[in-house]
Amino acid sequence: GAVVSQHPSWVICKSGTSVKIECRSLDFQATTMFWYRQFPKQSLMLMATSNEGSKATYEQGVEKDKFLINHASLTLSTLTVTSAHPEDSSFYICSAWGLAGASGELFFGEGSRLTVL
Amino acid sequence: RKEVEQDPGPFNVPEGATVAFNCTYSNSASQSFFWYRQDCRKEPKLLMSVYSSGNEDGRFTAQLNRASQYISLLIRDSKLSDSATYLCVVIAGTALIFGKGTTLSVSS
Repeated sequence: GAVVSQHPSWVICKSGTSVKIECRSLDFQATTMFWYRQFPKQSLMLMATSNEGSKATYEQGVEKDKFLINHASLTLSTLTVTSAHPEDSSFYICSAWGLAGASGELFFGEGSRLTVL
Repeated sequence: RKEVEQDPGPFNVPEGATVAFNCTYSNSASQSFFWYRQDCRKEPKLLMSVYSSGNEDGRFTAQLNRASQYISLLIRDSKLSDSATYLCVVIAGTALIFGKGTTLSVSS
């Protein structure tokens, strides 16, 4: 079945630095990928929809200049948290639609846990 | 009314119990429904798709009620390993909406 790989799994950075998270579809092409954030004991919150070759669509309340999304190829989307601050510490997950048998399935990356000191 | 609402948790049940979760959705045009399972500090993984005719996979049964706009997940003979958060996912057009999740804790 389709697999989505995310990297890095864990990252610790100093306040003010930028962090890039990669999301790759390993055996399928994904024209659309989704980026989520999840705070402890809370639900997944969709941040943005990443579209290959065009600008990402951001959810209300998500700063596009803070969370830069690049989807330059059909298998790679990146999320860059710019000038990270402690309140940006969270679990970031990407997902993409892939085929699983005769139907589609939303596959998730393993997630990236960001801790900003 | 929220777009997707799930039973508030946590559900604390003993091993062997039967437990059911519901998830209601507000958009009558929703066309696809899924149950995902998320373990602590891990990504969600697909548990079951939900079809109009209902579907069963071992101890798990998912059903869809379009008239009342809800989906359900029934777990029979609960195992310790079933402890997790269960998320319902509803797709309407291009919108993909997650419920907040219901936490299940199965104890021995």
